[in-house]
Amino acid sequence: EDQVTQSPEALRLQEGESSSLNCSYTVSGLRGLFWYRQDPGKGPEFLFTLYSAGEEKEKERLKATLTKKESFLHITAPKPEDSATYLCAVQAGTGTASKLTFGTGTRLQVTL
Amino acid sequence: DTEVTQTPKHLVMGMTNKKSLKCEQHMGHRAMYWYKQKAKKPPELMFVYSYEKLSINESVPSRFSPECPNSSLLNLHLHALQPEDSALYLCASSLLARQRETQYFGPGTRLLVL
Repeated sequence: EDQVTQSPEALRLQEGESSSLNCSYTVSGLRGLFWYRQDPGKGPEFLFTLYSAGEEKEKERLKATLTKKESFLHITAPKPEDSATYLCAVQAGTGTASKLTFGTGTRLQVTL
Repeated sequence: DTEVTQTPKHLVMGMTNKKSLKCEQHMGHRAMYWYKQKAKKPPELMFVYSYEKLSINESVPSRFSPECPNSSLLNLHLHALQPEDSALYLCASSLLARQRETQYFGPGTRLLVL
């Protein structure tokens, strides 16, 4: 069974204090690893897709990396507007339409 | 444009009511999904439609009935729900042109069952 574990559950940072969120996974035949941002009461907002170990992607203050066992979401000099829950999900197996298996998320709070 | 729209935004219904949730996308995506999300939990897959045909049903109770009238629309018909069905219902879509797919989510419908 596919498993995704995110840590920490919650993270409180001061503005400008860089940190990393972790997503470790166990899947049979990884097709893709996805990072989403979710604000309270809203749908997940797509951030990144990573397909193979060694791949990195960046967007503004965020950088996602992937190894064979885990992914990191690095946040550089965060701002209060980066406060949200960050979800990691994996897509595995074969077939046409794909099922995403989500981790439980990391709730990030960035304070002034 | 990566927009998925959902209506209504909020819905309150009694256990004997029948209601429907609607989802729409105009990105040419051929796979559409329904997820259920409880507070402080990750989304849980309910149904997947591929090319307008139901391809995955994650053992969802029959009081939830999905429908895909065409490639742009997805409905979720609700009947005789229980209070524990109260949750955020999310719709998503993906292109379905290749093995590696990104799913784009709508804003969700917040459902309260009394």
